[in-house]
Amino acid sequence: GAVVSQHPSRVICKSGTSVKIECRSLDFQATTMFWYRQFPKQSLMLMATSNEGSKATYEQGVEKDKFLINHASLTLSTLTVTSAHPEDSSFYICSALRLYEQYFGPGTRLTVT
Amino acid sequence: GDSVTQMEGPVTLSEEAFLTINCTYTATGYPSLFWYVQYPGEGLQLLLKATKADDKGSNKGFEATYRKETTSFHLEKGSVQVSDSAVYFCALTMPRGSYKLIFGSGTRLLVRP
Repeated sequence: GAVVSQHPSRVICKSGTSVKIECRSLDFQATTMFWYRQFPKQSLMLMATSNEGSKATYEQGVEKDKFLINHASLTLSTLTVTSAHPEDSSFYICSALRLYEQYFGPGTRLTVT
Repeated sequence: GDSVTQMEGPVTLSEEAFLTINCTYTATGYPSLFWYVQYPGEGLQLLLKATKADDKGSNKGFEATYRKETTSFHLEKGSVQVSDSAVYFCALTMPRGSYKLIFGSGTRLLVRP
């Protein structure tokens, strides 16, 4: 149990376009989900906390207008990278909170050309 | 603020060698402690956890003991395998809060046959 999926696993987009990444909890409901960004050979940086039915809470330094988060249901949170630029290329990982523990998705590799 | 410090890698070992990856933490309260493992190109998997002092987490031959007196949670394994090659992250979370995870920088382990 406690499986989290992400879609897509890899995406390549052109500079200036937007891309949406989905995070789903497959076998449980998650009021809270988290979005992380991981640079090569580095640790995970928490971007935002996503709460179902309310606005996301962004960490300091994360542009909320660039990284749009929507948590419309108890099993789905989405991260939209708007007007993507090459510096947004990264590995994005989500997690879902269940019984005080975070369960992680497999990650999405975003490449902006 | 709360933080986690891990030994820098990479750690290179021969198969069947003993593994120790050091982790120390700074926290104002009584955190829960975790070790996560990340295999190449994948998200994070929970390896083990401990929620209070003197607890020992164990899984797949890995162990770590929550030492409050030394604020440490070192990861150990008696005999590593090539398949253990991965990046290992130590992390903490404060219960009764936002359940945000604070990660260490990660330690890359490479096990040679």
